[in-house]
Amino acid sequence: AQTVTQSQPEMSVQEAETVTLSCTYDTSENNYYLFWYKQPPSRQMILVIRQEAYKQQNATENRFSVNFQKAAKSFSLKISDSQLGDTAMYFCAILNTNAGKSTFGDGTTLTVKP
Amino acid sequence: GAVVSQHPSRVICKSGTSVKIECRSLDFQATTMFWYRQFPKQSLMLMATSNEGSKATYEQGVEKDKFLINHASLTLSTLTVTSAHPEDSSFYICSARDRGGWNQPQHFGDGTRLSIL
Repeated sequence: AQTVTQSQPEMSVQEAETVTLSCTYDTSENNYYLFWYKQPPSRQMILVIRQEAYKQQNATENRFSVNFQKAAKSFSLKISDSQLGDTAMYFCAILNTNAGKSTFGDGTTLTVKP
Repeated sequence: GAVVSQHPSRVICKSGTSVKIECRSLDFQATTMFWYRQFPKQSLMLMATSNEGSKATYEQGVEKDKFLINHASLTLSTLTVTSAHPEDSSFYICSARDRGGWNQPQHFGDGTRLSIL
């Protein structure tokens, strides 16, 4: 079994500031992938960033970057230069090789304030 | 980018009605599709995994006779909520994974808001 924990139900940040969303996970697998998905108020989920567990280098995607600490089973998302369009619910997810399906955290609702 | 179309976006119907929701991958082939249920401000709860050409795999506690899933082609999966009741009211989301590999990210549909009166 695998679990994903997002300990921050809600967060807010001022526009142009930086915010970090936390995520911890537990899995018995060695091969897995980690994802951050964004669900804006319009409701469609979209991929923000992905990290292969076997890679030590943290993934980055423009203003989005992760801090992947494999030993600690931590996978936080940093959003730099926050924009109003970043307001959304963010889900952390883990995908392992055996099950082929993802487990999602409970989500963090992020509000970017002007 | 990969697009998943989910239809209808909203359904309001009387108790006892059966409702069919379609999920299509528009520009890629998906051997695996997933059906989720989401309550307001909560996470996605996986209901079942739909595999093309074979029976769906249901998660524990999900009634397979209540939620019928058909994945007849590499681009279409359907979820039918049979004899729907008010407790079935929820937001249902499908997602599809490109057949390119199990480690590909999931692409999500816009979701279907189901309201049973």
